[in-house]
Amino acid sequence: QQQVKQSPQSLIVQKGGISIINCAYENTAFDYFPWYQQFPGKGPALLIAIRPDVSEKKEGRFTISFNKSAKQFSLHIMDSQPGDSATYFCAATSGGYQKVTFGTGTKLQVIP
Amino acid sequence: DVKVTQSSRYLVKRTGEKVFLECVQDMDHENMFWYRQDPGLGLRLIYFSYDVKMKEKGDIPEGYSVSREKKERFSLILESASTNQTSMYLCASSPDQRDREQFFGPGTRLTVL
Repeated sequence: QQQVKQSPQSLIVQKGGISIINCAYENTAFDYFPWYQQFPGKGPALLIAIRPDVSEKKEGRFTISFNKSAKQFSLHIMDSQPGDSATYFCAATSGGYQKVTFGTGTKLQVIP
Repeated sequence: DVKVTQSSRYLVKRTGEKVFLECVQDMDHENMFWYRQDPGLGLRLIYFSYDVKMKEKGDIPEGYSVSREKKERFSLILESASTNQTSMYLCASSPDQRDREQFFGPGTRLTVL
């Protein structure tokens, strides 16, 4: 049972454009929503994260928007660069042992 | 610099073989995790451990077991490898603190023939 649904599966954006990845969740017990970035041949690494008491968090060119009532959150990459080409996973956590439920991933390609 | 290392980057085994995947972290983290990553399915949790000798089943534990005899080391065991266990296996660790990130190893690409 997929508890965090992610779309699109793949995304091609031109350099300088905005990349948008969307996620939706069902479990209202989730209380922390990280995004991980994975480059080919590497393990995922934390990119940015948000808690549901805020509607937006921005770090540089990366912004998370969070809609608690709709149980949806999204990652926006402004001024996308070829170096942003990677697979992005949204995720959600709850409970005391840091168990993380991941989305299915979005492969982003930024073309020059 | 924090580090999670996995014993092999690539591994090829035969159906029915017993397979050990080793993971070591040098950050003194309490929690350790094993995931498998498959295209279109994302990261799926196999097992995790929150302390030495403690383990919890994740979402897809069937066909796998784990061992954690020391805090820094977490092993994934395939008792009798099957072709449907061909996958990328990722180990991760995290401290036992609220909202702390997971640190991942580079992964082991396992092929079962």
